[in-house]
Amino acid sequence: ETVLTQSPGTLSLSPGERATLSCRASQSVTSSNLAWYQQRRGQAPRLLIFGASSRASGTPDRFSGGGSGTEFTLTISRLEPEDFAVYYCHRYGGSWAFGQGTKVEIK
Amino acid sequence: QVRLVESGGGLVKPGGSLRLSCAASGFTFSDYYMSWIRQAPGKGLEWVLYISSNGDTIYYADSVKGRFTISRDNAKSSVYLQMNSLRAEDTAVYYCAGEKRYLLAFDIWGQGTMVTVSS
Repeated sequence: ETVLTQSPGTLSLSPGERATLSCRASQSVTSSNLAWYQQRRGQAPRLLIFGASSRASGTPDRFSGGGSGTEFTLTISRLEPEDFAVYYCHRYGGSWAFGQGTKVEIK
Repeated sequence: QVRLVESGGGLVKPGGSLRLSCAASGFTFSDYYMSWIRQAPGKGLEWVLYISSNGDTIYYADSVKGRFTISRDNAKSSVYLQMNSLRAEDTAVYYCAGEKRYLLAFDIWGQGTMVTVSS
C-alpha cells in the first residue's frame, strides 16, 4: 500500500515569498495519478494540479507541480493572501492515499 | 453552474445507519466517476469509496468494507452512500467528489455533510 508523506507539516511564509511543498511516496507513483488539492479554512478541497504537473481549470499560473517516481513537489512562486491554506497530495487509484497535508501559514 | 450538493448527514448512535445523498447539476453526470471522501474533525482527507460512471466498478477503503456501500442513479444525477454499523471513528465531514472520465483527479467537490456518531 502506497503511503504519501508530505513535508513540511507547516510552512510559515510572508506574502510574496516562494513556497515549496514536498510529497514523498513509499512506492513509485505514476505521474498521471498524482494530484494536489488546496483546502482553505472551512471550505471543501479544490483541485489545483493533476497529472503531477497540469494545472486544473482556474488554477493561477503561480502554482506549478513537478516530480516523478517517489518525489513530487508543489511550488507557489509568489504567495498571495488567498494561498494561505492546507495543501494535500493524492494518489488516484491503488491505495487512493492522501498525504497528511501541509499548512501554509502567514509568518 | 457546476454543483454537487450533499445531504443526509446528522447525529446517529454507534451501530446505527445513515444514507447520504449527493445531487449533481450543471454537468453531464453520466460522464463522471464519483467518490466519497471524508475528513474527521481537525484531520486530513480520507478517500472512502469510488463508483464508475455506469456503476459497474466499485472500490472501497478497507476501513469501511462490509459496512458502507455506494450507488448511483444517472437518471437522477445522484450518488448515494449507505452507511451501516457506524462507529465513533466514522465521525467526519463527508464530501462527494467527481472525476471527469480519465482525469485521474477529483475536479468537482460538494460542500460536505457532517456525520456524527455518538451515544
